[in-house]
Amino acid sequence: QLQLQESGPGLVKPSETLSLTCTVSGGSISSSSYYWGWIRQPPGKGLEWIGTIYYSTTTFYNPSLKSRVTISVDTSTNQFSLELTSVTASDTAVYYCARPYTQSDWFDPWGQGSLVTVSS
Amino acid sequence: SYELTQPLSVSVALGQTARITCGGNNIGSKNVHWYQQKPGQAPVLVIYRDNSRPSGIPERFSGSNSGNTATLTISRAQAGDEADYYCQVWDSSTVVFGGGTKLTVL
Repeated sequence: QLQLQESGPGLVKPSETLSLTCTVSGGSISSSSYYWGWIRQPPGKGLEWIGTIYYSTTTFYNPSLKSRVTISVDTSTNQFSLELTSVTASDTAVYYCARPYTQSDWFDPWGQGSLVTVSS
Repeated sequence: SYELTQPLSVSVALGQTARITCGGNNIGSKNVHWYQQKPGQAPVLVIYRDNSRPSGIPERFSGSNSGNTATLTISRAQAGDEADYYCQVWDSSTVVFGGGTKLTVL
C-alpha cells in the first residue's frame, strides 16, 4: 500500500525559501504513479492546491503561486520535493503531499501533513 | 478563475440523511471529487468522479452531479461522520477546491 510522508523544517524566516520533501514508500515513485502533488491548508482554513508534477518533467502550478514554486522528483531517493521562495506569514500552513490519479483527477493517498510556520 | 461554493455548515440528526452541496458554473460537465477531513488529520477521499466510492468507504456515502450543483449525500449519519468536507474539480489546468463544509451530527 502506497504511503507518503512529508519532512522538512517546521519554521522558516520571512523572505527565505520553504523546502519540503515527500518520501514515497510501498512503491516506486517512477512506477507507482507518474503524478505527484502538493496541497496546503492555512490554520483554520480550507485546502489550496500548490502544484502537480508529471513523470519528473511536466509541472502544473497554481497560478497564484507559480512565480515562487518549484516541484521536482528524485527517483534515486523515491522522493519528491517542494520549494516555495520569498515566503511570508501568509505561507504558514500545513503542507500535504498527495498522489493525483492523473493531473485532472482526485488525490489519494495523502501524507499526514507537515506544519510550516513562517516567522522571524 | 473557477470557483466552487459550499455552505459553511450543515447539521444532521443522528441516523438521518445529510446533503452537502458544491456549486459551480456548469459543474455537471466536470468530474467532482469529495474529501472528508477530521480535526488534526489529513483529508480522505470519499467520492471520486461524481459518484464512485473508493474501497473502504461505506455505501452510506454517495454523490451526484448535474447542472450547477454537485451533492455529497451521507445516509444514516453517524457521529463519526462529523468532519469537514471538501469538493474538488479540475478546471483550466488547475485544481480547484471548494471552501469546505463543516458537518455537525446532532
